[in-house]
Amino acid sequence: GENVEQHPSTLSVQEGDSAVIKCTYSDSASNYFPWYKQELGKRPQLIIDIRSNVGEKKDQRIAVTLNKTAKHFSLHITETQPEDSAVYFCADGNKLVFGAGTILRVKS
Amino acid sequence: GAGVSQSPRYKVAKRGQDVALRCDPISGHVSLFWYQQALGQGPEFLTYFQNEAQLDKSGLPSDRFFAERPEGSVSTLKIQRTQQEDSAVYLCASSLEGGRNEKLFFGSGTQLSVL
Repeated sequence: GENVEQHPSTLSVQEGDSAVIKCTYSDSASNYFPWYKQELGKRPQLIIDIRSNVGEKKDQRIAVTLNKTAKHFSLHITETQPEDSAVYFCADGNKLVFGAGTILRVKS
Repeated sequence: GAGVSQSPRYKVAKRGQDVALRCDPISGHVSLFWYQQALGQGPEFLTYFQNEAQLDKSGLPSDRFFAERPEGSVSTLKIQRTQQEDSAVYLCASSLEGGRNEKLFFGSGTQLSVL
């Protein structure tokens, strides 16, 4: 079946450092890749997404890069803050499949 | 309403009971999705509607699971003869357009516990 692999499963960084989360997908026809943030006990919320016609998209401290040849995409958070602590999920938007999630802890 | 609304927020059922979970999407949103999220896992796709049409139900784990959206707005996910493995958070999401490649707006979920 369709698969989205997400790494790492947990990530601890010091406040102000960068965090990178990577995902791979299996269907080369997929062309929409969103990232969702889920705080404890809350609903998932979209933070950034990318379509296959571009290789990178930025929104303030958050960026997503896409490598269609290698079938992987990554979330980059710079200058991390304690409020960035949450679970982050990548997804293959075409297949409606989510990764298993990354628990990000930002230590102050 | 301002967002996707789900009810009840919590549901405790005895094994073998039937349950019905409700989702009110954002007004005017064409597409509606149901996901199951086990503790510590990512959301798992269950089913997808475009208006009242159920276009994909490939994720429903068994014939005990049934979803409907008869008027293209409110949706109900029904689970018959609940089992302990059905315990999870059931998330509903809607999107403005038809099709899959759109931003999903999630509800807060229904946490189902089957005893």
